Amino acid sequence: AQTVTQSQPEMSVQEAETVTLSCTYDTSENNYYLFWYKQPPSRQMILVIRQEAYKQQNATENRFSVNFQKAAKSFSLKISDSQLGDTAMYFCAFKVVNDMRFGAGTRLTVKP
Amino acid sequence: SAVISQKPSRDICQRGTSLTIQCQVDSQVTMMFWYRQQPGQSLTLIATANQGSEATYESGFVIDKFPISRPNLTFSTLTVSNMSPEDSSIYLCSVEWLAGETQYFGPGTRLLVL
Repeated sequence: AQTVTQSQPEMSVQEAETVTLSCTYDTSENNYYLFWYKQPPSRQMILVIRQEAYKQQNATENRFSVNFQKAAKSFSLKISDSQLGDTAMYFCAFKVVNDMRFGAGTRLTVKP
Repeated sequence: SAVISQKPSRDICQRGTSLTIQCQVDSQVTMMFWYRQQPGQSLTLIATANQGSEATYESGFVIDKFPISRPNLTFSTLTVSNMSPEDSSIYLCSVEWLAGETQYFGPGTRLLVL
């Protein structure tokens, strides 16, 4: 069975600085997707970034980038130039076909 | 970009009653799913809503408690039946336009059962 582990329940960062959220997963599959979702207090789950396992190049979306290490089964999220609006719960997710698993989440607080 | 809406956005219900949550997408989707997020927890998949047939439920969830309908490719409902305080959660629908790829979520329904 696939499992997703986020080992940092809470993190904080000063505005304009950089923070990295960790995620590891366990699977025997070779083809899968990895995601980071953001859930602000409004509770809507918002897709931040997506990585296909077959792609070696790390995905980037503006200030958000990932460090995907397939052999190590690691998928960390780096947020650059942190903004107050980045304050939210961040969930790492693993997906193979229709089986999607979420980590426990990391609560990120951006401080002014 | 497509819009996923849920109704109601929140509700407070008495134990023993039922609530039906609607999920509407403004374009046809391949897959629709229902998740539960208990307070302070991560997301747990309840079921996959299948168009024109019975939903596929995950372990621990049963049709009598969480009946689901999906009459077409843009709409689904989840009913939480015979509610108890333990059913107090956020319920989220999600969709895939291409099967097996990215899931996009609705805004969620916050349910409190007294």
